[in-house]
Amino acid sequence: GAGVSQSPSNKVTEKGKDVELRCDPISGHTALYWYRQRLGQGLEFLIYFQGNSAPDKSGLPSDRFSAERTGESVSTLTIQRTQQEDSAVYLCASSLTNDQPQHFGDGTRLSIL
Amino acid sequence: AQRVTQPEKLLSVFKGAPVELKCNYSYSGSPELFWYVQYSRQRLQLLLRHISRESIKGFTADLNKGETSFHLKKPFAQEEDSAMYYCALKGGGSNYKLTFGKGTLLTVNP
Repeated sequence: GAGVSQSPSNKVTEKGKDVELRCDPISGHTALYWYRQRLGQGLEFLIYFQGNSAPDKSGLPSDRFSAERTGESVSTLTIQRTQQEDSAVYLCASSLTNDQPQHFGDGTRLSIL
Repeated sequence: AQRVTQPEKLLSVFKGAPVELKCNYSYSGSPELFWYVQYSRQRLQLLLRHISRESIKGFTADLNKGETSFHLKKPFAQEEDSAMYYCALKGGGSNYKLTFGKGTLLTVNP
């Protein structure tokens, strides 16, 4: 079936604007994760959703970052008042359960001018 | 805190030569280790995980708790192995968060 789908694939915006990134997980996957990858760095964990449980937001770098997920479907990551240091590739992953391998999307490349 | 170190940013070998991509970790408990691979213009995908003790595409990796290492090895590299390789660790009281290394870009020359 279809893999994890992310949109947009690329986003260029001006500093100070808000952006919204979308992730469609694999159908039936209860766990969903957001990661950030800055240039030349490894992936940094941002947030984790598991079913209807409270999300683990411990990786969010500031209160400008927030994320939502409706049930076991689509998730959106919102960055308010973007800064240049927010420029990165934002990756979404999903897994059947939280102890199963994570499957990644293609990511959204975010560039803040 | 848990940490994953991949000391080589770049690694270049010739086709048919052995290849070893190094990964060291720092974690006080019993970790679960993974290797992820990203081929050119493709998404990040799982290559192997230590608990499976399997060989994928000729690659193997053994968890060495004494040396806190999880090096990825292949006896005879192929051109199609050229890719970015990331070592990742799962642990820290949760069973879902992955901590990644910065990655090693492997180039296999003809």
